[in-house]
Amino acid sequence: AAGVIQSPRHLIKEKRETATLKCYPIPRHDTVYWYQQGPGQDPQFLISFYEKMQSDKGSIPDRFSAQQFSDYHSELNMSSLELGDSALYFCASSLLAGAGDTQYFGPGTRLTVL
Amino acid sequence: AQSVTQLDSQVPVFEEAPVELRCNYSSSVSVYLFWYVQYPNQGLQLLLKYLSGSTLVKGINGFEAEFNKSQTSFHLRKPSVHISDTAEYFCAVKIAGGTSYGKLTFGQGTILTVHP
Repeated sequence: AAGVIQSPRHLIKEKRETATLKCYPIPRHDTVYWYQQGPGQDPQFLISFYEKMQSDKGSIPDRFSAQQFSDYHSELNMSSLELGDSALYFCASSLLAGAGDTQYFGPGTRLTVL
Repeated sequence: AQSVTQLDSQVPVFEEAPVELRCNYSSSVSVYLFWYVQYPNQGLQLLLKYLSGSTLVKGINGFEAEFNKSQTSFHLRKPSVHISDTAEYFCAVKIAGGTSYGKLTFGQGTILTVHP
């Protein structure tokens, strides 16, 4: 079965640079979630989209923005990168958000900021 | 707001022994409950979930969990572990229904280490 695809898998950036992370949800899934997992931490919710509209927002810095496109893929844009942004970024997708839907996670993008 | 507490940060156990990973949650509204497993350098894989109905839910890889509303717990169990079960396990909750579009709140994780 198709799974959530994230690209790139690894990304190394310098401080103050920008980064773009991409997420391709499972086909026919209408909701995308982004989570950030710092070293030794639990995943923290950043933002979600349902049918291409932002549906919820968590602890996402103002330097970050995200969107979901017409083909349902999503991109997380991160600017003015800081050392503390180094983390594993997960994307998850689900169908019929708001119900007992199950979120399926991608393999993550490991961002290292030097 | 809801929160999740995993009572043990690390659980060492010998192969073929039983294991229980404890999870307690706090919420003023009804929640759905999930257990995810994360192998080193990999994403999160769903083990099992409780939405409604029978309080004992069975998942993949021989794991099961029991929802206890009075104790606000959702402990994960396996009667006999294998070396391959070594991983980090996360308990998570989500508001049942409502306007929140399904964000998960995770516990701090429990690292299960199975020794030969």
